[in-house]
Amino acid sequence: AQSVSQHNHHVILSEAASLELGCNYSYGGTVNLFWYVQYPGQHLQLLLKYFSGDPLVKGIKGFEAEFIKSKFSFNLRKPSVQWSDTAEYFCAVKPSGTYKYIFGTGTRLKVLA
Amino acid sequence: EAGVAQSPRYKIIEKRQSVAFWCNPISGHATLYWYQQILGQGPKLLIQFQNNGVVDDSQLPKDRFSAERLKGVDSTLKIQPAKLEDSAVYLCASSLVRKGTGQETQYFGPGTRLLVL
Repeated sequence: AQSVSQHNHHVILSEAASLELGCNYSYGGTVNLFWYVQYPGQHLQLLLKYFSGDPLVKGIKGFEAEFIKSKFSFNLRKPSVQWSDTAEYFCAVKPSGTYKYIFGTGTRLKVLA
Repeated sequence: EAGVAQSPRYKIIEKRQSVAFWCNPISGHATLYWYQQILGQGPKLLIQFQNNGVVDDSQLPKDRFSAERLKGVDSTLKIQPAKLEDSAVYLCASSLVRKGTGQETQYFGPGTRLLVL
């Protein structure tokens, strides 16, 4: 069955630290990839997306993600986190040609001021 | 542009009662999704509509859950009767496929938080 794994369930960082959140998926075909963020008390928002082309994708608020096809991964990165990045982050995969989004279990990030 | 609207935002019911949630997608978005998000988990797709037709309802517990999308615009999700394990956030999302690219991006509403006692 298709699945998405986010191995880090909780991450605590100090401000200015670098961030990398892992996302791996199990699907052999072509996929579209997404990272969503949910700030406290707010709804899920799209952070960035990958459909094709350059595997390094830049999103909002200084986030980027790299698609490594051989590793079935789409890790999220930010060079220097801020307190306002405290949120829950979800990776999602959509097999091409389908409408089905498969979400990971999420990573809860807490940034200490 | 206005986002995906959902109501109510919160609902508390007792088990065996019924409940309904409403969603109004972003104007022009043909595809509408209902997800269930249990605490500590990612969203799980319940049902997906393309206009007013069902595309995927394989994970919808059809003995108690039902959904409809009249006229291909807004949608309702109903649970009857509710069980304790239905306590979750019910998310509605809509999406638009970019012409010429086939690229589709999904946008979420604020969700309805359901507590079943």
